Amino acid sequence: DGGITQSPKYLFRKEGQNVTLSCEQNLNHDAMYWYRQDPGQGLRLIYYSQIVNDFQKGDIAEGYSVSREKKESFPLTVTSAQKNPTAFYLCASSILGAAGETQYFGPGTRLLVL
Amino acid sequence: GENVEQHPSTLSVQEGDSAVIKCTYSDSASNYFPWYKQELGKGPQLIIDIRSNVGEKKDQRIAVTLNKTAKHFSLHITETQPEDSAVYFCAASGSGGYQKVTFGTGTKLQVIP
Repeated sequence: DGGITQSPKYLFRKEGQNVTLSCEQNLNHDAMYWYRQDPGQGLRLIYYSQIVNDFQKGDIAEGYSVSREKKESFPLTVTSAQKNPTAFYLCASSILGAAGETQYFGPGTRLLVL
Repeated sequence: GENVEQHPSTLSVQEGDSAVIKCTYSDSASNYFPWYKQELGKGPQLIIDIRSNVGEKKDQRIAVTLNKTAKHFSLHITETQPEDSAVYFCAASGSGGYQKVTFGTGTKLQVIP
């Protein structure tokens, strides 16, 4: 059963804590993306990766970090530098990351601050 | 960069009626326009897309139209059903070297039984 999985579904962060969101795909896609979704706003790109061991900042990368050690995995770390982390985080993938490709999304992780 | 505007932000229709959601984009180089449906607490799912060499595309009760001259595209849902209730996002991409996708702000559709 092919697709994108994200875990956990809900995540709670304490003040000053780093937390990591998991994203795994078995679609054999080269490109992966992280988006942040806030109420009443569209999806905003945090980071993207078109190939293993390479990634680029998106529009709102400050306070976040990523790694791409395996083709299937693209974890996102929300660092303590991100002062307003409460949001719904979405991971996506596409075949090559070329212009005009369809992006497929995972089920999302909701991050809440304690 | 690309800017995508989406209207209305909320839309209520009676079951069986049609729903229309409209989007405009700013970058004339954009050439791929997907539409996503997002149910509460879930990730967006692609429902239909259109490329700039096509003016209209249909898939059962869903259709999308594209006017490249005016830089706007629309989603049409006919014979709406309660399960159509969700948030719908339009998007534009295709300009630039990588697959940068710009999303609209979403339309919350409520189908009243």
